[in-house]
Amino acid sequence: SQKIEQNSEALNIQEGKTATLTCNYTNYSPAYLQWYRQDPGRGPVFLLLIRENEKEKRKERLKVTFDTTLKQSLFHITASQPADSATYLCAPQLRSGSARQLTFGSGTQLTVLP
Amino acid sequence: GAGVSQTPSNKVTEKGKYVELRCDPISGHTALYWYRQSLGQGPEFLIYFQGTGAADDSGLPNDRFFAVRPEGSVSTLKIQRTERGDSAVYLCASSSGTGGYEQFFGPGTRLTVL
Repeated sequence: SQKIEQNSEALNIQEGKTATLTCNYTNYSPAYLQWYRQDPGRGPVFLLLIRENEKEKRKERLKVTFDTTLKQSLFHITASQPADSATYLCAPQLRSGSARQLTFGSGTQLTVLP
Repeated sequence: GAGVSQTPSNKVTEKGKYVELRCDPISGHTALYWYRQSLGQGPEFLIYFQGTGAADDSGLPNDRFFAVRPEGSVSTLKIQRTERGDSAVYLCASSSGTGGYEQFFGPGTRLTVL
């Protein structure tokens, strides 16, 4: 069955460092991979989408990579700030069929320490 | 403009009762999704609408769950004979397209079944 694993449930880093979050998937060939941020008591907020033919995507301090051979996506936050503290969710998405919905990993809770 | 809204924000009910949860998507978004999120987990897909019709309801756990979107805008998720295991946050999302489009989430409805 399809499975999504995100590294460690919780990740603590020092302010100013780069946070790297991992998303591994099995039994999947996603055409897209989306990353969302979720704060306590709120719905997820879209951050970045990367397509299967893209190796890397950047947006301000965020960078996402997508390795379809390793079946892995890495999500980087550079120059991290305490305001980046949140849960980050990855969501591989198939191109067609009954996969318009997103299938989420369980998330990685990031804490950036001042 | 206005984002996705959900009402009520909190709902407490007794086992066996019927509940309705409402979602107002972003105006013009044809795709609407319902997810359920338990503590410490990522959102879990329930049902997806394209316009007025349910394009994929494969995530509904059993026949106690039903959702409608009669005019292609507002959607209602209905749960009959609620059970304690139905307690979770129910999230609604909408998007202007399907594959490869970001989803905009509402704040969720926290359902507690006593």
